[in-house]
Amino acid sequence: DTEVTQTPKHLVMGMTNKKSLKCEQHMGHRAMYWYKQKAKKPPELMFVYSYEKLSINESVPSRFSPECPNSSLLNLHLHALQPEDSALYLCASSQDRSGEQFFGPGTRLTVL
Amino acid sequence: GQNIDQPTEMTATEGAIVQINCTYQTSGFNGLFWYQQHAGEAPTFLSYNVLDGLEEKGRFSSFLSRSKGYSYLLLKELQMKDSASYLCAVRDQSGGGADGLTFGKGTHLIIQP
Repeated sequence: DTEVTQTPKHLVMGMTNKKSLKCEQHMGHRAMYWYKQKAKKPPELMFVYSYEKLSINESVPSRFSPECPNSSLLNLHLHALQPEDSALYLCASSQDRSGEQFFGPGTRLTVL
Repeated sequence: GQNIDQPTEMTATEGAIVQINCTYQTSGFNGLFWYQQHAGEAPTFLSYNVLDGLEEKGRFSSFLSRSKGYSYLLLKELQMKDSASYLCAVRDQSGGGADGLTFGKGTHLIIQP
């Protein structure tokens, strides 16, 4: 298995909803990442997990809450989002903090 | 902080060669990556340079000069499917040991018949 999977592919939620994005990889990678990408913009780093520990939080608002239950899974819990949070949310993984990063297909999020 | 510059858009002809340049400024350089991204899809890894020189992978090559803060991606024998955005990204391990990637704004490559 040489891919990063993400669910759901699309998500529409209201500003009062609570939802979660899921990411999974079975390549034995020990670093996992969340990026946010707005239309016609490059991906922007949100969080980095290394060996299941949060190592970087790029000043992301607390309405985004990451969780790494084990070395294969990475979640992003969403609560009280704003319409401007609508974007493509990309998960990536790498062998370790120095390896190349492989991206999942992303979850396209729309906040109404 | 980091500053990464690459051209916004380039046009090339099927079968030809195109070079996409990227310049960067960073305080703790630890690798430069090139990704391809088709509209509506996730970025796909193309190449990685951490030492000076040329890395070749089939039709794609990437070059790095750390002293000049400069890289290029060379695409040969262009095919219509190469029409996409090409993202230059830098990994920076300065300060707190950050190792996420910082991306340039991407170069939209248009291939004409």
